[in-house]
Amino acid sequence: GQSLEQPSEVTAVEGAIVQINCTYQTSGFYGLSWYQQHDGGAPTFLSYNALDGLEETGRFSSFLSRSDSYGYLLLQELQMKDSASYFCAVSSTGSNYQLIWGAGTKLIIKP
Amino acid sequence: DGGITQSPKYLFRKEGQNVTLSCEQNLNHDAMYWYRQDPGQGLRLIYYSQIVNDFQKGDIAEGYSVSREKKESFPLTVTSAQKNPTAFYLCASTRHLISGANVLTFGAGSRLTVL
Repeated sequence: GQSLEQPSEVTAVEGAIVQINCTYQTSGFYGLSWYQQHDGGAPTFLSYNALDGLEETGRFSSFLSRSDSYGYLLLQELQMKDSASYFCAVSSTGSNYQLIWGAGTKLIIKP
Repeated sequence: DGGITQSPKYLFRKEGQNVTLSCEQNLNHDAMYWYRQDPGQGLRLIYYSQIVNDFQKGDIAEGYSVSREKKESFPLTVTSAQKNPTAFYLCASTRHLISGANVLTFGAGSRLTVL
C-alpha cells in the first residue's frame, strides 16, 4: 500500500529553526507537496518537490531525497503565526496522481 | 477575488437524514475534489471530478454522492448510509489533473455534526 509518516507534534521556540520530516512508501512516486493548515481553517499550499534537492521560498524550504523516500519542511525565523499543522502529501502514478496525505504535524511555537 | 465557497460552514443533522454540502468555485478550474478530515488525521479523498458530467470515487466514497453538472459547482450529499458522518469536509480544485504537480486550492470547509 501507500503510506506517509510524519511526527504528530513538534515544539519550537519563536525565532528558531524547525524541521518537519516526512517518509513515504508509494508506487510510481511523482512528487511531494507540503500544506499548512491553521486550526479550523483550510489547507494552503506551501511547496512542491519532484526532484532531489532543496526548494526555498522565503522562510520556508522543502527538501526531497527520492532514493531515501524522504523529505522535510524547514521553517526558519519562526513566528507565532507559524503555529499550525503541516501536512506532507505524495502524488504518484499508483494513486492516479491523486494526493495521498500524511496525518499532519502540529507545530507548537513557544515565545 | 477568485476562490472556493463552501456552505454551510456548520451543519447539524439528525441520524437518517441526507444533507448536501455546497461547493462553488470561480477559478475556472477543471478538477474538483471532496475530502474528509477527522481529528488528528490527514485528508481522505471522497470523490473527485476532472470534467463536467464525470466524477470518480475516491478512497471513502461509500455513503456519499456527488454531481458535476456545471464546471463551477460540485455538491456533495452525505446520505443516511454513511455510518459515521461527523467530520470536517473540504472542497478543493485545481486547474488540470494532468500530472502530480497540481496545486490544490481549498474552500474554508463545512463542519458536519450528527446529533
